[in-house]
Amino acid sequence: AQSVTQLDSQVPVFEEAPVELRCNYSSSVSVYLFWYVQYPNQGLQLLLKYLSGSTLVESINGFEAEFNKSQTSFHLRKPSVHISDTAEYFCAVRRSGGSNYKLTFGKGTLLTVNP
Amino acid sequence: DTEVTQTPKHLVMGMTNKKSLKCEQHMGHRAMYWYKQKAKKPPELMFVYSYEKLSINESVPSRFSPECPNSSLLNLHLHALQPEDSALYLCASSQLGGTDTGELFFGEGSRLTVL
Repeated sequence: AQSVTQLDSQVPVFEEAPVELRCNYSSSVSVYLFWYVQYPNQGLQLLLKYLSGSTLVESINGFEAEFNKSQTSFHLRKPSVHISDTAEYFCAVRRSGGSNYKLTFGKGTLLTVNP
Repeated sequence: DTEVTQTPKHLVMGMTNKKSLKCEQHMGHRAMYWYKQKAKKPPELMFVYSYEKLSINESVPSRFSPECPNSSLLNLHLHALQPEDSALYLCASSQLGGTDTGELFFGEGSRLTVL
């Protein structure tokens, strides 16, 4: 089984400041890793994913995450946040390949960007 | 078309009512999912259908009855619900097999209130 730990339940930052949302996972098999974002009263949107290959993955809106196998981490970073980045961010893990399609979520981190 | 469409967006029902939530996708995905999300919590998996067959039931009470009439549609039939079943119900879909890109595509959700 897989598990995900998001170390911070809330992260308040000021606009244009850098931010890091931390995610650690546990699994005995190879995994896919994801960051999803949920804006208020909306569904989940995929922000970025790591399947294989380059350990640094980027999104179109300036976020990036780095897969670190030795530290079993997949932290999300952005060098300069905007008010519009205020949302709940979920890290998730899924077993790679096979027929197990269960996506396990962390408890979420509420990012609040203040002016 | 990269959307998962859920209807209705909001539903209020009494404990003796029978209602249904509907989900539709036209991305050719062969796996479809129901998740339940309580306020300030991560989504919890309820059911997974792969190739129109129920493959995962996370010990969900029988008052929730899923149905997958075809590869594009997923229903969740609701009967004799309890107030604690009030939540956001999220539908998702994903590819399967060799075309699997790992991620789930989520709808906007149906917000259910049980009185």
